[in-house]
Order: sequence, then C-alpha cells, then structure tokens
Amino acid sequence: GEQVEQRPPHLSVREGDSAIIICTYTDSATAYFSWYKQEAGAGLQLLMSVLSNVDRKEEQGLTVLLNKKDKRLSLNLTAAHPGDSAVYFCAVSASNDSGYNKLTFGKGTVLLVSP
Amino acid sequence: GGIITQTPKFLIGQEGQKLTLKCQQNFNHDTMYWYRQDSGKGLRLIYYSITENDLQKGDLSEGYDASREKKSSFSLTVTSAQKNEMAVFLCASSGLGGREQYFGPGTRLTVL
Repeated sequence: GEQVEQRPPHLSVREGDSAIIICTYTDSATAYFSWYKQEAGAGLQLLMSVLSNVDRKEEQGLTVLLNKKDKRLSLNLTAAHPGDSAVYFCAVSASNDSGYNKLTFGKGTVLLVSP
Repeated sequence: GGIITQTPKFLIGQEGQKLTLKCQQNFNHDTMYWYRQDSGKGLRLIYYSITENDLQKGDLSEGYDASREKKSSFSLTVTSAQKNEMAVFLCASSGLGGREQYFGPGTRLTVL
C-alpha cells in the first residue's frame, strides 16, 4: 500500500522566515494531494489541495509544489508568523476499487515560529 | 458551513472497560471516519462509513466496533480498553469520494 514519509518532524524558524515541509510517497497512481494544519487541542483543518495535473499552487502565503517524477510534495510558508505555529500533515489519496479515496497521512511536522 | 461535534472531549476509563465515543456532523456529508492519532505516528484509520448503513474496516479496526446510526452520526466503541490505547480519536466527514475531509476537535482517551 501507499507509504508517505514526511520531514522534518520538528521545524523551528523565526518570524518572517520561510518554512518548508516535504512529503514523499510511493504509489505512482496517487492522484490527490493535500495539506492539513492542526492547532493545539483541535482537529485537522484543510489548508490546500492539488490534483496530480497541478505542479504549483499558491494561496495566501502558502505554496504547494508537486514533483510527480520524484513523488515529492512540499509546503512552503513563505513568511511565517507565530500564528502559523502548529502541526502540519500531508495527505495523499488514490481511488480504491469502490471509488472511495482513502487518505494516507504523513506523521506530521511540528512547526514553531518564534517572534 | 458546518461543524463536527465529538463527545466527550475527555474520556477516562478503566482497563477492560467498554467505552463509546460519539460524533455528529451537520455538513450533510455522506461519508464519516474515525481515526486514531498517536504522538509521532500520524493518523490511522479505524473505521469509515461511505454512506448511511455502510460500515468499512480501516487499517486499525481490531479492538473497535463502529455504528452509523444515521447520516449525521457515527459512533466508535472501544470493546475492551487497554493502557496502550491512550490516544486522541478524531472523527471526520466528507462528501462522496472522500478527498476533502473535515475534522472534529477530538476525544482524548486515558485508560487507568
């Protein structure tokens, strides 16, 4: 089955710096890629998602890059601020036989942005 | 918009006890999920229900039962709580297809 590796597990940056989180996956049939943010004591919140025909998507200070050749997905917070401190998860999916798209999650990156 | 409500927020049980976690959503979503979140291990799927009256096992279903009482609610039962089960249990829902999932705030389980 699909395997997802996420790195780094912990990331500490200063306010205004960029923060980059990377996920690699194994299944070449993977069709959908997403990033979630989890703040302390809360559930996961969908940040951005892309389909496999998209290489780059930018939205509100976030950039998602997809390299299908290397099976690599990245999230770049271009100018991080303390409110971005949270745990970030990548999630990928491909359809199973029933057409349902099971999500496989990375293990998460704890991001700390200091003033 | 909608919301997912999980009850209780904190659940403390005794080893061997049967414990039930509840989830309600008002998105009118067809599909609902239960995940277990352990520190450093990401999310693992326990059970999911594609539509009302459907029930599917995930990767971690042993030791758990689930029930989709109606479209808006999905319950998870820990059949015999074990001390190594202390974790956060997250409920989620989505439209058919399951790509964009919306999560509840979680139930934190502690087993004494």
